[in-house]
Amino acid sequence: DTAVSQTPKYLVTQMGNDKSIKCEQNLGHDTMYWYKQDSKKFLKIMFSYNNKELIINETVPNRFSPKSPDKAHLNLHINSLELGDSAVYFCASRGRGGTEAFFGQGTRLTVV
Amino acid sequence: GIQVEQSPPDLILQEGANSTLRCNFSDSVNNLQWFHQNPWGQLINLFYIPSGTKQNGRLSATTVATERYSLLYISSSQTTDSGVYFCAVGPAGTALIFGKGTTLSVSS
Repeated sequence: DTAVSQTPKYLVTQMGNDKSIKCEQNLGHDTMYWYKQDSKKFLKIMFSYNNKELIINETVPNRFSPKSPDKAHLNLHINSLELGDSAVYFCASRGRGGTEAFFGQGTRLTVV
Repeated sequence: GIQVEQSPPDLILQEGANSTLRCNFSDSVNNLQWFHQNPWGQLINLFYIPSGTKQNGRLSATTVATERYSLLYISSSQTTDSGVYFCAVGPAGTALIFGKGTTLSVSS
């Protein structure tokens, strides 16, 4: 039973389109995250939600909008996709008190 | 913010060799994790090790929190150990901050 699952695994789309990536965790964690991994493999935090409330919003274009319908889900919606948005996006979750974090399998987004 | 530095950036080994990867961090933390990103891109949890020493098979890790570093030991390396090894730290209430990783290539 996958702890953190995100869909889709691959996403190829044209510039200007709007797309969403979904994430769900079944660990009962309070905090969920979105990370972006660039072509140099660097993992950078984008957003953090704690119990459905946004607590970290790094310098990310406002074309990116996270949505947390409940504490087990954190979706990422991206408007007006650009070539530079091509990357691997990871969802993660962590328990209260900063316990061990777990990551989804990643979504490879390619904008053409 | 917290800075995380990993060394070496790249490592090439023959199968069977041992290696040590290092992670230095700039501030006091109450957690630290090691991950392995395999060639398929999955991030695999290796150790959650805020302090002390842990072992899991051929891998072990030691964190000396007071001196702000952690070490990951890989013994008798195998080709399946290839990939990128990340260290990440992050106090409660913040996000995990990642180092830039060590890329390990093990050849047979």
